[in-house]
Amino acid sequence: TQLLEQSPQFLSIQEGENLTVYCNSSSVFSSLQWYRQEPGEGPVLLVTVVTGGEVKKLKRLTFQFGDARKDSSLHITAAQPGDTGLYLCAGTDNYGQNFVFGPGTRLSVLP
Amino acid sequence: DAGVIQSPRHEVTEMGQEVTLRCKPISGHDYLFWYRQTMMRGLELLIYFNNNVPIDDSGMPEDRFSAKMPNASFSTLKIQPSEPRDSAVYFCASSLPGTVNYGYTFGSGTRLTVV
Repeated sequence: TQLLEQSPQFLSIQEGENLTVYCNSSSVFSSLQWYRQEPGEGPVLLVTVVTGGEVKKLKRLTFQFGDARKDSSLHITAAQPGDTGLYLCAGTDNYGQNFVFGPGTRLSVLP
Repeated sequence: DAGVIQSPRHEVTEMGQEVTLRCKPISGHDYLFWYRQTMMRGLELLIYFNNNVPIDDSGMPEDRFSAKMPNASFSTLKIQPSEPRDSAVYFCASSLPGTVNYGYTFGSGTRLTVV
């Protein structure tokens, strides 16, 4: 079974600070997705990375897929209170038949 | 587009009762997933369907759980009999054909409490 680990588990920062959260595995994934989940709602897809070394930007969020396609990072610049939430990474194997989620990083951005 | 629709949003039931959760995927999506989320175990995949056919149900915890997808626009997850340890948020998600590796759209979930 492919597993995803995320770090840190919890992160509390002040508005305006930068942060990076990580998603790691010992297995190779064909793609990795990042989601943000707010209380009482389902996860919302932010981005999908599919190519080793790929970097994608979504406004103040930068996502990177590791060269070996075993890990990914999410960097947020100048965090805002609206960024508060649970950040989940998820991966699918090369056969598209193994869908796993990491445990998440719970981010709190204080005004 | 109304998104993935789940009902009910909240369900409180007594131990031993049957519980049925419902999901309407986005029209045109051919993959449908049922997940369970708890603080202790995070998001767990229970079962997924492709074109209404169950592909992998290895995540279904035990025989008390069953899922069906009678047509492309409706799926149910049934727990019979329910137990307190089944208390969790249950999510349904769907994905467009050929894009399952590119992520899914989740519903808002059903919060189940078994007392």
